[in-house]
Amino acid sequence: IVLTQSPGTLSLSPGERATLSCRASQSVGSSYLAWYQQKPGQAPRLLMFGYGASSRATGIPDRFSGSGSGTDFTLTISRLEPEDFAVYYCQHYDSSQGYTFGQGTKLGIK
Amino acid sequence: QVQLQESGPGLVKPSETLSLTCTVSGGSISGYYWSWIRQPPGKGLEWIGYIYFSGSTNYNPSLESRVTISVDTSKNQFSLELRSVTAADTAVYYCARLFTKRWFDPWGQGTLVTVSS
Repeated sequence: IVLTQSPGTLSLSPGERATLSCRASQSVGSSYLAWYQQKPGQAPRLLMFGYGASSRATGIPDRFSGSGSGTDFTLTISRLEPEDFAVYYCQHYDSSQGYTFGQGTKLGIK
Repeated sequence: QVQLQESGPGLVKPSETLSLTCTVSGGSISGYYWSWIRQPPGKGLEWIGYIYFSGSTNYNPSLESRVTISVDTSKNQFSLELRSVTAADTAVYYCARLFTKRWFDPWGQGTLVTVSS
């Protein structure tokens, strides 16, 4: 399964709503997907996981939400805070193909 | 709170073997899956492989012929060996725990390995 994220770059202002997309080349089994956030010089951090990537990881604020099923998944940040500007990756696990990541969406300050 | 820390040489010569160790602190390595992921400079993430605490492994097919991951439960460590490296193997290498065998959490801080003569 190939994961394609869009847009490649998104420029928004603090306080705005961000919508990031992850599209799979074929239906994701059990619609299990994860989202990670990576800031410069840091390791990725798990944000959302599970069915539709709708479960927040420990410590993740509720302005982050995930949804989707099948081949189309969305990460939404309801009101951007300065610390949210980063690169976001989606990821899927398949028992036969292993672990795949999308190419990332860079969320930058406008 | 589980923490992971990668260690190993930051420079490896072409055709040689890259060797890294991940030390797990704040929790036991037993009962979990543990993984290596890498990220070439300025690029995306690539899964390398995982090991269960009991020693069973699974590797990315694109790297399988060159990779070995091992575990030492007595030291709470697991290790990566990547043989016959080239400049294309230059990357930040991360270790991570596999949460429910599906998601990577938490991650180590990463270590940059450069392949160069």
